Amino acid sequence: RKEVEQDPGPFNVPEGATVAFNCTYSNSASQSFFWYRQDCRKEPKLLMSVYSSGNEDGRFTAQLNRASQYISLLIRDSKLSDSATYLCVVMEGGKLIFGQGTELSVKP
Amino acid sequence: DVKVTQSSRYLVKRTGEKVFLECVQDMDHENMFWYRQDPGLGLRLIYFSYDVKMKEKGDIPEGYSVSREKKERFSLILESASTNQTSMYLCASSLGRTGALFNTIYFGEGSWLTVV
Repeated sequence: RKEVEQDPGPFNVPEGATVAFNCTYSNSASQSFFWYRQDCRKEPKLLMSVYSSGNEDGRFTAQLNRASQYISLLIRDSKLSDSATYLCVVMEGGKLIFGQGTELSVKP
Repeated sequence: DVKVTQSSRYLVKRTGEKVFLECVQDMDHENMFWYRQDPGLGLRLIYFSYDVKMKEKGDIPEGYSVSREKKERFSLILESASTNQTSMYLCASSLGRTGALFNTIYFGEGSWLTVV
């Protein structure tokens, strides 16, 4: 079983749609959680950290469920510019463990 | 703005060649990392370093070595390149030992290596 698992997609959605990505992690001792965004043939960039209480940044909402070892990212009112791969990232033992990413394609 | 620079964006090397991938960061970060990224496998940690002349193995160190002689520079070395090392290599850095400063890592633009 992979340490961090994501649905690879692709998710094809129309502009304005709401889309949700899920991620599960295997190590209950994991300490910190993040979502990174990666554009095609570019480097990953931090989108947002994920806190136990849930957190929101504009159209993006991240949730963490430690009991279920589950992380989610919700994107509301999708824009064409949201098209990218979204990486779920978990910190454990001082290392960042990346999921394989979920590809999102927002169409006009 | 943090800048992590990887000297070579695209390389083609022959099997058995020694390959150096250079990475420099300009923000006095303590921590530096080398990852490789392959389709369906995500990013996998090869080696990392928390200080000058210090190195730690990541998840897939076999076939690689690293060098950190100066704080700003972290080199990845493929002693004898093989075709299964064809990949995209990403260097990253972060500041601090714990908490948000450690967790926020900045990536270089990547080096696309093809071994033929």
